[in-house]
Amino acid sequence: QLQLQESGPGLMKSSETLSLTCTVSGVSINSINYYWGWIRQTPGKGLEWIGSMFYNGRAHYNPSLRSRVSMSVDTAKNHMSLSLTSVTAADTAKYYCARGLEMAALGDAFDLWGQGTLVTVSS
Amino acid sequence: SYVVTQAPSVSVAPGKTATITCGGDNIRSKTVNWYQQRPGQAPVLVIYYDGDRPSGIPDRFSGSNSGNTATLTISRVDAGDEADYFCQVWDSDTDQYVFGSGTTVTVL
Repeated sequence: QLQLQESGPGLMKSSETLSLTCTVSGVSINSINYYWGWIRQTPGKGLEWIGSMFYNGRAHYNPSLRSRVSMSVDTAKNHMSLSLTSVTAADTAKYYCARGLEMAALGDAFDLWGQGTLVTVSS
Repeated sequence: SYVVTQAPSVSVAPGKTATITCGGDNIRSKTVNWYQQRPGQAPVLVIYYDGDRPSGIPDRFSGSNSGNTATLTISRVDAGDEADYFCQVWDSDTDQYVFGSGTTVTVL
């Protein structure tokens, strides 16, 4: 079954490093047909793109987060990971992983989303 | 960076047509994608490349893009269409995705 499933710590403290995993089922994460992304949604509902990664490991990050974020892919486990350093309360959000359209380019739509994982940062 | 603007809310009677707009400077030069998000659920792509529909999305959903406004139109609205709708573009000047703030569609 084609699906994405995020997992993460739930609650964390300011200055810690957030680590999230997106487990992909039903499609190979290193397929040349797709790219993958992380998007977060704050409690006020706004959506913010965090970054995207291609099958070859090439990543693109939101300029406002670039200094704190990194993404990686584990092809053996068929999952991708997100790391965000020095978190603050402003990083409290629901984090989604998503798949880009087939044979699309960076900047195109995301056609499959996970259910998201809520991350709360306390001071 | 590029800014897109959406009205906070739209109300529509069942069976009527809902029109949701996404405004931006010369937005017609960009491709616009639209997502539906029902309460407590993840976003779902309903329109991509301005007006294409993913498989499984009813043809009641349509999109257009002209001038400074992109539009998502939902015809024959029913209660199941109550959701937040977000537009999304790619800002090639700053190399980042930009999302609108979302429009809440309420079916009266």
